[in-house]
Amino acid sequence: QTVLTQPPSVSGAPGQRVTISCTGSNANIGANFDVSWYQQFPRTAPKLLVFGDNKRPSGVPDRFSASKSGTSASLAITGLQPDDEAVYFCHSYDTDLRGSTFGGGTTLSVL
Amino acid sequence: QVHLVQSGAEVKKPGSSVRISCKTSGDTFNKYTVAWVRQAPGQGLEWMGRIIPQFDITNYAQKFQGRVTITADTSTSTTYMELSSLTSEDSVVYYCARGKGVDTTMVYDFWGQGTLVTVS
Repeated sequence: QTVLTQPPSVSGAPGQRVTISCTGSNANIGANFDVSWYQQFPRTAPKLLVFGDNKRPSGVPDRFSASKSGTSASLAITGLQPDDEAVYFCHSYDTDLRGSTFGGGTTLSVL
Repeated sequence: QVHLVQSGAEVKKPGSSVRISCKTSGDTFNKYTVAWVRQAPGQGLEWMGRIIPQFDITNYAQKFQGRVTITADTSTSTTYMELSSLTSEDSVVYYCARGKGVDTTMVYDFWGQGTLVTVS
């Protein structure tokens, strides 16, 4: 079962800002466990985008940022570019599942 | 640069088992965790389990308990995932991923290319 809930899709025009939410519970995000975000293009492996709630690996543009509050987290993408079209997944640890868990994924469309 | 290279696509009969390998290079194998994540076409990522090779400690998702076995060969920096009693629902892509941190801070920073398993 998916315990991290994401919207199935979001969209925005080039240059705009979009946010993707990730809603969990006190068994995961609300327990202050780290949240990470992954970007996936069709037929490729996921790529780490954000870790430790809001840190970016080297090479990830600062157009990508993330935050966490209570039982939810969010990923913000500013200055949307056509190349940002991908599926985005949030991830955290869940005490009820006793393991890692991913959100269902959000497809970003750049109009 | 860290690379995780997985074994090739597999075609299996229902009820059989599949074993996929994941060879890590470019960093010290024993310093990290290796997890296995699967993905059905057009669907989300499903965490199956992980191993800490240095201590040979495994943890499996409840859904796959009793059906999945993850092992590691530190001499070749290779991790293996074996899934038994295959059904058509196991016809998905399987990824290995290198994990950093402890369970509650886990980050998967490098991923294998994926292995397609077809059960038919």
